[in-house]
Amino acid sequence: EAEVAQSPRYKITEKSQAVAFWCDPISGHATLYWYRQILGQGPELLVQFQDESVVDDSQLPKDRFSAERLKGVDSTLKIQPAELGDSAMYLCASSVIPGQTYEQYFGPGTRLTVT
Amino acid sequence: DAKTTQPNSMESNEEEPVHLPCNHSTISGTDYIHWYRQLPSQGPEYVIHGLTSNVNNRMASLAIAEDRKSSTLILHRATLRDAAVYYCILTSNAGKSTFGDGTTLTVKP
Repeated sequence: EAEVAQSPRYKITEKSQAVAFWCDPISGHATLYWYRQILGQGPELLVQFQDESVVDDSQLPKDRFSAERLKGVDSTLKIQPAELGDSAMYLCASSVIPGQTYEQYFGPGTRLTVT
Repeated sequence: DAKTTQPNSMESNEEEPVHLPCNHSTISGTDYIHWYRQLPSQGPEYVIHGLTSNVNNRMASLAIAEDRKSSTLILHRATLRDAAVYYCILTSNAGKSTFGDGTTLTVKP
């Protein structure tokens, strides 16, 4: 069964350093999402792509976060510089649009710890 | 963004049915109701979705109120593997979903 791939699974970085996460969605899925999940809370949408275009990045802290999906396939989320409050799970999800239902398939996530 | 309200936690006994409620009084006519669940240290997993009619699949059933302002996820026979956080979310026709904090389901043997 096809899965969403994410790497790395775990990342420890010092504050003020740069960090990047990679996501490879399920083949053929046009929509890609990046979420941030703080322990004990639900996922918070950071950015949504439709193919290579950003559909929604209203919750993305653009002074330090950036996201790209250059060829409309895999995607990279970057944080520069990292802050202590960025420690969280970063989840990637993808969906195809059969009848506009947007069922999302999630990857295993990247656990970021900022020290 | 349309939001949902769920109880923080629920308990169930193994092999008994579980009814997980969700209120979404601000739902719009084109919003889909999706349910996901998340096991510890894993990403959320799709469970079921619906628009107006009740839905059944191999994992669960979804009962949607006639006015669509509430829904209930039904697990027909809870197992220990069903212990998870269950999220009820609304997805707009632009594909945007807003997660709340979900319901933590504990299943007792």
